[in-house]
Amino acid sequence: EDQVTQSPEALRLQEGESSSLNCSYTVSGLRGLFWYRQDPGKGPEFLFTLYSAGEEKEKERLKATLTKKESFLHITAPKPEDSATYLCAVEFSNYQLIWGAGTKLIIKP
Amino acid sequence: GAVVSQHPSWVICKSGTSVKIECRSLDFQATTMFWYRQFPKQSLMLMATSNEGSKATYEQGVEKDKFLINHASLTLSTLTVTSAHPEDSSFYICSAPSGAGEQYFGPGTRLTVT
Repeated sequence: EDQVTQSPEALRLQEGESSSLNCSYTVSGLRGLFWYRQDPGKGPEFLFTLYSAGEEKEKERLKATLTKKESFLHITAPKPEDSATYLCAVEFSNYQLIWGAGTKLIIKP
Repeated sequence: GAVVSQHPSWVICKSGTSVKIECRSLDFQATTMFWYRQFPKQSLMLMATSNEGSKATYEQGVEKDKFLINHASLTLSTLTVTSAHPEDSSFYICSAPSGAGEQYFGPGTRLTVT
């Protein structure tokens, strides 16, 4: 069964404390893995797309990496404004996505 | 970047009435749009795929007669919740692929049925 699992469910960090979020998947025929950020009461905001194992992408304090079984979203020296729910999704056909449940990230000043 | 808008952003309706939600791609054309619903503290659940010029494709368990989808043009898809009930209260989000392997999401519509 195609499945996407994110861990941890929630993560509290102090400002400046780096960490990583995990997205593991069991999807046959991966076409792409997506990371989104969602703030409360808003639609998801696109962050990254990764297509093949070994690929890495960076944006400000965020860096996404991909292996054959999982993806990591590394956050370096986070700030309070990085607090949000981070969603991972895997594309398996025709742009349809399987979503993880998300990791709620809280950065305390 | 690409922008997807939704209207309204928030709606309250009485049980038994119908509500229409619009999803528009503002600076690109979308032959396909997706409709999701999201319950509090849960991830997005795909409801249906909206296809311009043809019938929508519904996910298993989603009633097509209750959630009517019309993809009227390359920039507009509408979701009508018919005979709404309190259990239909949720956050409804649409998205459109930009053609570059990315999807852009609307800001969402919060529906409350009383």
